[in-house]
Amino acid sequence: AQSVTQPDIHITVSEGASLELRCNYSYGATPYLFWYVQSPGQGLQLLLKYFSGDTLVQGIKGFEAEFKRSQSSFNLRKPSVHWSDAAEYFCALYTGTASKLTFGTGTRLQVTL
Amino acid sequence: GAVVSQHPSWVICKSGTSVKIECRSLDFQATTMFWYRQFPKQSLMLMATSNEGSKATYEQGVEKDKFLINHASLTLSTLTVTSAHPEDSSFYICSANQRLAGGEQYFGPGTRLTVT
Repeated sequence: AQSVTQPDIHITVSEGASLELRCNYSYGATPYLFWYVQSPGQGLQLLLKYFSGDTLVQGIKGFEAEFKRSQSSFNLRKPSVHWSDAAEYFCALYTGTASKLTFGTGTRLQVTL
Repeated sequence: GAVVSQHPSWVICKSGTSVKIECRSLDFQATTMFWYRQFPKQSLMLMATSNEGSKATYEQGVEKDKFLINHASLTLSTLTVTSAHPEDSSFYICSANQRLAGGEQYFGPGTRLTVT
């Protein structure tokens, strides 16, 4: 069965510092991968997605992610974090089974000023 | 585009009563709608998947008689929590996808349910 692992439950970075959130997946074929962000008390907003093609994907709010098949990873990056980026980040995997997404457990990002 | 709304955004009800939450796709036709439950500081737990005009498919462990899902049109799905109890208090989020969207789901803003 497919799965998504986000190893970091909580990350704290200083404003202006770079950020990398880790995501590893388990699936036998090439998956569709997503990163979503959730602010407190809100729904999820799509940051970016990978379906095929270029393995470096650009998203909204200055985020990017790189798909690495050899490492089964899809890490999210941002060169300079803003205080407004503080939120919960979820990596998700779609394999086509019953249209479902498999979510990771999430990483809570705290930004210090 | 691809906006999903939920109503109400928060609701407080008394134990034993029923509560209905609406999920609407505002600018697209939703092939499939999903209902999630989220506990504080936890990930989303899929409760059920529904397709327009057919019965919802519930995840293991979700009581289908307690959480009634109706997907009457391509733009509206409802979740009714019947005979609510305090342990049903949670954040409920719906999402929807479009045909040929490659699994991308568009999420509603969520509904905070508190049962007293």
